Amino acid sequence: DAKTTQPTSMDCAEGRAANLPCNHSTISGNEYVYWYRQIHSQGPQYIIHGLKNNETNEMASLIITEDRKSSTLILPHATLRDTAVYYCIVRSANTGTASKLTFGTGTRLQVTL
Amino acid sequence: NAGVTQTPKFQVLKTGQSMTLQCAQDMNHEYMSWYRQDPGMGLRLIHYSVGAGITDQGEVPNGYNVSRSTTEDFPLRLLSAAPSQTSVYFCASRPSGYTEAFFGQGTRLTVV
Repeated sequence: DAKTTQPTSMDCAEGRAANLPCNHSTISGNEYVYWYRQIHSQGPQYIIHGLKNNETNEMASLIITEDRKSSTLILPHATLRDTAVYYCIVRSANTGTASKLTFGTGTRLQVTL
Repeated sequence: NAGVTQTPKFQVLKTGQSMTLQCAQDMNHEYMSWYRQDPGMGLRLIHYSVGAGITDQGEVPNGYNVSRSTTEDFPLRLLSAAPSQTSVYFCASRPSGYTEAFFGQGTRLTVV
């Protein structure tokens, strides 16, 4: 599975957009980009995933560069409840390993007043 | 809809004791996994299963056993607990295909 690189921490003012970058320069053509977050010590929570095209759901938007070597998760209007560790994950398409999610150390997002 | 349920939430073991962490899901998901998370670190995969009767090792399998006799349950067994196994354990499940994984709330295990 491709490895990912994320900044260790970021701050964002409440109400502003939070843009979390992720580098996955070794991603292969059939690997998806997933984002999860972990609030305090809870279980990780799925946010969004994509392959090539930009994706949007009720939680966030995912922007993937054309060469797919990096992506950005956008929380359009961050709130204090979005304070969490955000994980960018690239997942293999191989059937035998399809259940694997390889977590790095993620980005700790602190949303402030 | 209970989702993924882990029991117990907290456990203290003495070195050398054995125990089983329970994980159950009621969503009929094929895939289930166990992760451990040490302080300040990301999650590491211990074992996973792609269906009943099929299991495989993850990144850190030593000291742990799993079995998957039913779709719903995926217990994790610690054979002889060691202080190095002090961690928070998360179970996850998901259906086949490129979909989201659902995580339980974790079991906080301390081995003294």
